[in-house]
Amino acid sequence: EVQLVESGGGLVQPGGSLRLSCAASGFTFSSYWISWVRQAPGKGLEWVASIKPDGSGKYYVDSVKGRFTISRDNAENSLFLQMNSLRAEDTAIYYCARGGTATTIFHYWGQGTLVTVSS
Amino acid sequence: EIVLTQSPATLSLSPGERATLSCRASQSVSSYLAWYQQKPGQAPRLLIYETSNRATGIPARFSGSGSGTDFTLTISSLEPEDFAVYYCQQRSNWPLTFGQGTRLEIQ
Repeated sequence: EVQLVESGGGLVQPGGSLRLSCAASGFTFSSYWISWVRQAPGKGLEWVASIKPDGSGKYYVDSVKGRFTISRDNAENSLFLQMNSLRAEDTAIYYCARGGTATTIFHYWGQGTLVTVSS
Repeated sequence: EIVLTQSPATLSLSPGERATLSCRASQSVSSYLAWYQQKPGQAPRLLIYETSNRATGIPARFSGSGSGTDFTLTISSLEPEDFAVYYCQQRSNWPLTFGQGTRLEIQ
């Protein structure tokens, strides 16, 4: 059974940093695209970042470029999102979502972790 | 950036009725269009990918169609558990984008 479990969310002040993690199990982690998708309170879904299976390619939405870094550890079956210079508008539930071996269709989702940016 | 526009914003129907949800892209996404369902307090769930392919475990009452810029998600006969928010998503171009969602509510 595919499982994705996010952690690392919490309350942080504007300008602060946070590192999210996603622990994966039930599939060969190193073979799949994996992404972060967020959802602000009461709002729709927004794609944040994606990373290729071998980590060689990383893609970001413009609003987080230069502030967020996606990475993965295939030996530990883990995905990360380093978030710096956080803003109020980054407040959201952050979901880890698994794609395909060659696609960014979000086949599986974690339950999400809440990030709140507020003073 | 490809903008996806979903209509209607809210659709009010009764169980047993047919639901037709629309997603229009600002430029062609070929067939690289997916649909997700999200219920309150839950993560989204993939329903349809590449326009018309049902994801694993998705009932046959869900179907997708379209190409290029105009896409449709059809639920042939609504079950009580189908009332939720539905999003379309394109993977044709970076950045990946979602529509703003259609809320399907019980009439």
